[in-house]
Amino acid sequence: AQKVTQAQTEISVVEKEDVTLDCVYETRDTTYYLFWYKQPPSGELVFLIRRNSFDEQNEISGRYSWNFQKSTSSFNFTITTSQVVDSAVYFCALLNFGNEKLTFGTGTRLTIIP
Amino acid sequence: DAMVIQNPRYQVTQFGKPVTLSCSQTLNHNVMYWYQQKSSQAPKLLFHYYDKDFNNEADTPDNFQSRRPNTSFCFLDIRSPGLGDAAMYLCATSSPGDIPRATPPTYEQYFGPGTRLTVT
Repeated sequence: AQKVTQAQTEISVVEKEDVTLDCVYETRDTTYYLFWYKQPPSGELVFLIRRNSFDEQNEISGRYSWNFQKSTSSFNFTITTSQVVDSAVYFCALLNFGNEKLTFGTGTRLTIIP
Repeated sequence: DAMVIQNPRYQVTQFGKPVTLSCSQTLNHNVMYWYQQKSSQAPKLLFHYYDKDFNNEADTPDNFQSRRPNTSFCFLDIRSPGLGDAAMYLCATSSPGDIPRATPPTYEQYFGPGTRLTVT
């Protein structure tokens, strides 16, 4: 069985602050994929990043960065210099290789205060 | 641009009146999914099609049905909507399978904008 835990239900930060969203996962498989999705108030789930289990390189894309650590089963997401447009619900998700169904975390609602 | 399209974006139906939500994709993905999402919750998978093979989740009520007439289109039918079925319905696609193809697999799911269903 697999599980994704996003312990932070809601986070509020003042604009321009950095913020890290935590994601911890459980799986027995050795090959799997991890994802982050953003869901703004409009409702559409927007794919942000995919990481596979044998690639622990951290990734940076503009103000976004992701830290994948297999030793702690974590895949954390950091937004630097936050902006109001970053306000959304963020979901972490897990896909086991050979499966086509995502396991979602419960989501973290991020509010950026102007 | 390749995308996932859902129509309508907003749907109001009466209690017990059948309703159909539609999803189309131009990504040529072989898997299509239907999710139900209620306020402040993660999306909940209702069912998915892997090519023509229908896969129902064990806890999806019989009230929910789906059709996939071709690769591009998938429909969600709610036979007798109840007040508890009011939610956002999300369609998604992916292409994770191992069938021969010209393009690499796509493990991430791409979502449409959703249809918000209101039941009166």
